[in-house]
Amino acid sequence: RKEVEQDPGPFNVPEGATVAFNCTYSNSASQSFFWYRQDCRKEPKLLMSVYSSGNEDGRFTAQLNRASQYISLLIRDSKLSDSATYLCVVTGGGADGLTFGKGTHLIIQP
Amino acid sequence: NAGVTQTPKFQVLKTGQSMTLQCAQDMNHEYMSWYRQDPGMGLRLIHYSVGAGITDQGEVPNGYNVSRSTTEDFPLRLLSAAPSQTSVYFCASSYGTGTGGAGQYFGPGTRLTVT
Repeated sequence: RKEVEQDPGPFNVPEGATVAFNCTYSNSASQSFFWYRQDCRKEPKLLMSVYSSGNEDGRFTAQLNRASQYISLLIRDSKLSDSATYLCVVTGGGADGLTFGKGTHLIIQP
Repeated sequence: NAGVTQTPKFQVLKTGQSMTLQCAQDMNHEYMSWYRQDPGMGLRLIHYSVGAGITDQGEVPNGYNVSRSTTEDFPLRLLSAAPSQTSVYFCASSYGTGTGGAGQYFGPGTRLTVT
């Protein structure tokens, strides 16, 4: 089983809709979790950390389910500018303790 | 703050040539790392450093060298370029190590083509 798995998509979603995607991880000892956003031909940028109790930042909500070993990202009222690839990052595993998922590609359609 | 800067933005090399990709950060981050990103492969760690004078290998270190003489700079050297090293290279830095859980700041990337 891969350490961090994401559905590559693409997810095609109409503007204004709510979209959610998950990321599963295999290392039960992982302590920290993040979502990054990467626009086409740009660098990844930290979107938000994921806390055990779940956390919200505007239209974005991140959740952690330790029992099932997945994290989720929910985007409400999606905007055209939300179109990007969303990378899940988990600590534990990897040479330096960080493991990146390959990303989920999201396309918001007008 | 400029954040993480990388030069050059684009580079074309011939097989066998060597070059250095520059990376600098002005956030006083202890942790710096180099990744390469290829289609369908995601980000793969090449080398990383937890502080000046300390470097270690990542997942795909072969063909690359690094040094960390200052907190600010973390150059990546390609010893003898090969077509398999055609990729986009990102440098990143953070306050803590990966296990420390601090989010990373990435540079804008260097697009390298080896012919």
